Amino acid sequence: DIVMTQTPLSLSVTPGQPASISCKSSQSPLDSDGKTYLYWYLQKPGQTPQLLIYEVSSRFSGVPDRFSGSGSGTDFTLKISRVEAEDVGVYYCMQGIHPLTFGGGTKVEIK
Amino acid sequence: EVQLLESGGGLVQPGGSLRLSCAASGFTFSTSDMSWVRQGPGKGLEWISAISASSGNTHYADSVKGRFTISRDISKSTLYLQMNSLRAEDTAVYYCAKGWRIGGYWGQGTLVAVSS
Repeated sequence: DIVMTQTPLSLSVTPGQPASISCKSSQSPLDSDGKTYLYWYLQKPGQTPQLLIYEVSSRFSGVPDRFSGSGSGTDFTLKISRVEAEDVGVYYCMQGIHPLTFGGGTKVEIK
Repeated sequence: EVQLLESGGGLVQPGGSLRLSCAASGFTFSTSDMSWVRQGPGKGLEWISAISASSGNTHYADSVKGRFTISRDISKSTLYLQMNSLRAEDTAVYYCAKGWRIGGYWGQGTLVAVSS
């Protein structure tokens, strides 16, 4: 199984400042179709997880452009260009090669 | 609008069984792969099972293999998760999700508590 490791475990950010979360996979989530299946989710307090980024860098419908994903191979990054109060919650990366596996999560709070 | 509504959760004793349902609407269920994901209390997300549109292909996490069975009823646009031999560590909120790789559409979840 592919192991996903996220850092940091938690992040405290001043509104308007950038934030970055790292996700490393034990193997590349590159499938035979040539696509890299790396996803980013945000779970706001008390809510269902919501998809932010799919296939490394594509924003899901309705996701603000302050969220961006990048990376290749086994190293991936989620960046928030300017954090807003509504961005608090736990961020998870997930790889899409079965069996699917999630990172342990990064809790983001506002200073 | 894609809607997924889980039901069937509740309190069950260790060793017991429960069947979860997920009623789907707003998309063509018959051609959509589906998945189940769970989240233990205060814990992270864990994918547990997926089923292809044709039901010909299923996957399970090792933690539930041999105990849980995923299935679907196209006529009812409903996804199921039959859970047998339940253990305390199966206590979690169970979400159904659209897609072989989960994706962007999730239900609100149903709580399963395994306790004597």
